[in-house]
Amino acid sequence: QLQLQESGSGLVKPSQTLSLTCAVSGDSISSAGYSWSWIRQPPGKGLEWIGYIYHSGSTSYNPSLESRVTMSVDKSKNQFSLKLTSVTAADTAVYYCARRLEYAFSAAFDIWGQGTMVTVSS
Amino acid sequence: IQMTQSPSSLSASVGDSVTITCRSSQSISRFLNWYQQKPGKAPKFLIHGASRLQGGVPSRFSGSGSGTDFTLTISSLQPDDFATYYCQQSYSTPTFGPGTKVHIK
Repeated sequence: QLQLQESGSGLVKPSQTLSLTCAVSGDSISSAGYSWSWIRQPPGKGLEWIGYIYHSGSTSYNPSLESRVTMSVDKSKNQFSLKLTSVTAADTAVYYCARRLEYAFSAAFDIWGQGTMVTVSS
Repeated sequence: IQMTQSPSSLSASVGDSVTITCRSSQSISRFLNWYQQKPGKAPKFLIHGASRLQGGVPSRFSGSGSGTDFTLTISSLQPDDFATYYCQQSYSTPTFGPGTKVHIK
């Protein structure tokens, strides 16, 4: 059974870089038909898609965050990562990693990690 | 593509049938998914392609719609169904609706 587990710094200073990793277990990150995503949720608010990456390294980012986001994949460790630069308090959120499954007529986030809270504060 | 949901919250009793509406700012065909989220938990995937139930999701959940207007219906609401529901379009770069909270009357 596929499981995703986020890890990384829970406290980041303003203007610094947020770094998170999502470990994938129960399946290969190179499996066809999937991409690997980051989604965040500020406290008490809704969900915001950050981006996704394929095992090939091809990426798609939210245009509102694209200038600050970098995703990467490490197939040898079966994990993928997120870096978000120049963070501000507005980046404080629970960050989820999720698998994006591509269907014939849709693409959905079918498996989610438990989420990790990241606070931006000095 | 902007997504809106109505109502933002609703009160219902166990056994009630509830309907949540999701609208997109432009046509998204049937590229619409639904998720359920409980407090402190990750969202759970319910429906893709507007009406296709994910495996293991109870049949009291159903989705419909195409173009710009979509609905999620929960027939005979169960205690486990009190949660927040989000729609999400996958026609272009993914965006979520603001959510609809279903709470106990």
